[in-house]
Amino acid sequence: DIQLTQSPSFLSASVGDRVTITCRASQGISNFLAWYQQKPGKAPELLIYTASILQSGVPSRFSGSGSGTEFTLTISSLQPEDFATYYCQQRHSYPITFGQGTRLEIK
Amino acid sequence: EVQLVESGGDLVQPGGSLRLSCAASGFTFSSRWMSWVRQAPGKGLEWVASIRQDDITKHYVDSVRGRFTISRDNAKNSLYLQMNSLRAEDTAVYYCASLYNDVTIFDYWGQGTLVTVSS
Repeated sequence: DIQLTQSPSFLSASVGDRVTITCRASQGISNFLAWYQQKPGKAPELLIYTASILQSGVPSRFSGSGSGTEFTLTISSLQPEDFATYYCQQRHSYPITFGQGTRLEIK
Repeated sequence: EVQLVESGGDLVQPGGSLRLSCAASGFTFSSRWMSWVRQAPGKGLEWVASIRQDDITKHYVDSVRGRFTISRDNAKNSLYLQMNSLRAEDTAVYYCASLYNDVTIFDYWGQGTLVTVSS
């Protein structure tokens, strides 16, 4: 199984900050990686797929990059609504796996 | 507007069975792969199973293979998850999700239904 390790697991930041979350895969997955945002009590929402393609309706302050085994999600200027938990997910091979999550909280 | 509405979650004893349903609307259900993803209380996301449009090709995570069965009824725009031999570790919110462009990118999600396995 492909393991995804996110870092950090917890991040404290302020409105307006630029933040980066990293997702590392245990083996190469090309660009078959997606990012999701989940707010408490809600279902996850797709932000980015194929490593860098922004899902329709997602603000342009979100961006993704990477290929192979290392990927990043960047939020260029944090807004109050961005404080949530973020997950990466690989679709290179079954079983489909998610990272453990990065909880982003307000400093 | 795309809607996925899960139902069927309940409290069940270990070893028991439960059937989850997901009613889809707002898109052409029969043209989409579909999946179930679960989330244990306070934990991360875990993919459970996926099913192709033809109701034949199916994939499962190892921990549920042989106990859970994913199925669909395209005429009813519905997805199902039959869960047998339930264990405490199956306790989770179960989400129904649609897949984008025949690849495992979960673009739409339901609100989830809670399954609790406890005596």
